[in-house]
Amino acid sequence: DAGVIQSPRHEVTEMGQEVTLRCKPISGHNSLFWYRQTMMRGLELLIYFNNNVPIDDSGMPEDRFSAKMPNASFSTLKIQPSEPRDSAVYFCASSLPVAPWRSGELFFGEGSRLTVL
Amino acid sequence: AQSVTQLDSHVSVSEGTPVLLRCNYSSSYSPSLFWYVQHPNKGLQLLLKYTSAATLVKGINGFEAEFKKSETSFHLTKPSAHMSDAAEYFCAVSPTGGFKTIFGAGTRLFVKA
Repeated sequence: DAGVIQSPRHEVTEMGQEVTLRCKPISGHNSLFWYRQTMMRGLELLIYFNNNVPIDDSGMPEDRFSAKMPNASFSTLKIQPSEPRDSAVYFCASSLPVAPWRSGELFFGEGSRLTVL
Repeated sequence: AQSVTQLDSHVSVSEGTPVLLRCNYSSSYSPSLFWYVQHPNKGLQLLLKYTSAATLVKGINGFEAEFKKSETSFHLTKPSAHMSDAAEYFCAVSPTGGFKTIFGAGTRLFVKA
């Protein structure tokens, strides 16, 4: 079975440019999460979706960040405009809940490494 | 609020000796607890999980963890380290009543030959 698929794996861009990261969750999983990983802050939950609906976006750093999930098999995380401090590895993960309102095991993609110059 | 504290940022062991990675959590009643491993330039992979069944949980690659409610701990152990165990390990909690999984800061495990 295919796992969580993220693209691009690496992105180098200049400050001020728009960045779009993409994620295809595992088929049948109804929860999707975007995390950001940096040396300084570790793994931070940015936003998560349940059944394509954003449930909690309180981790999104500021209005420059936006995320969408137009259908069950695709999600995007967009940064516009990008800044050097956005440089990080962005992970997408999907899961099935083990019980109502409780997350199960997270299945992670291999990440998108973003460098903003 | 839920939180996870990994007590060591780095642990170094010799190959063949036991591994102990420590994790304390703060959460509501009956949390789910997880250990994940991350190899360089890879995503996180589940090692094991506790979801209110047996308190001693066995995972992949010989790892196990024991849930101790009185100590709010979920330490990860392995009897004998292998070179391939060198990686970063994350403890995580998913509290009752929410989808959020909160991760600790991670412990980097070094294995010396």
